[in-house]
Amino acid sequence: KAGVTQTPRYLIKTRGQQVTLSCSPISGHRSVSWYQQTPGQGLQFLFEYFSETQRNKGNFPGRFSGRQFSNSRSEMNVSTLELGDSALYLCASSFGASANTGELFFGEGSRLTVL
Amino acid sequence: GDSVTQMEGPVTLSEEAFLTINCTYTATGYPSLFWYVQYPGEGLQLLLKATKADDKGSNKGFEATYRKETTSFHLEKGSVQVSDSAVYFCALRGSIYNFNKFYFGSGTKLNVKP
Repeated sequence: KAGVTQTPRYLIKTRGQQVTLSCSPISGHRSVSWYQQTPGQGLQFLFEYFSETQRNKGNFPGRFSGRQFSNSRSEMNVSTLELGDSALYLCASSFGASANTGELFFGEGSRLTVL
Repeated sequence: GDSVTQMEGPVTLSEEAFLTINCTYTATGYPSLFWYVQYPGEGLQLLLKATKADDKGSNKGFEATYRKETTSFHLEKGSVQVSDSAVYFCALRGSIYNFNKFYFGSGTKLNVKP
C-alpha cells in the first residue's frame, strides 16, 4: 500500500513569490491535514480537508490556502512568500470518518526555503 | 481546549540507559493518544498508540500507558540504542465533540551516545 506522497520534496523561492505544494493521501483515506514545522514553533496545524471541504483550520494568515480534489489529493498554496515561511510542510492523511480513533499517516514533507 | 504538554529536550543518554519522556494532556471526552517519532530528514511515523484508559501501547521496545487518572501518556524504553536518536512527539486525537482534531506536543529531541 503506497504511503502519503508529497511533491516537491525541496524547493527554493524568493520573497513575494507564491508556491503550491501537492499531497496524495493513502488510497481510501478521505482526510488530509497540513502542518508547518519549524525549529522554533514545532508542528503548527494549518488546515484539514475531508471530502473536498475544509473541516478545521489553524491560526495562519489568509496567504495560506488549500483545497482537496474529488480523488482526495490535496494542494496547499502560499502566496506573497515571506522569509518566515521557510519550513518543512507536512501532509498527513487518515480515514477521517467521525468517531475515528485512527492515527495520521505522514508524508516525508516538502522543505521550502524562502530567500 | 484540548492540549498536550511534553517535557522539553534535548535529552541526552548513553546507550542502554533507561528512557522516560513525560507527556500530559488536557481533553474533553475520551481522546486517543499517540507517540510519533521523526528521524532526521523524514516525516513523522507512528510509534505507538492507545485508544482508551489503561491501554498500553508498545512497539520496538517502547511502551506507554494511557492513564486517565493522571492524564498522562509517558513514553518509556528500558534500553535505548544509538538508532533511537530522533525527535519524539506526543499527540492526542480529540473526541467527536472536538471534531476528532489532532493536537501535538512540542517534541522532545533524544540524543543517544555510544
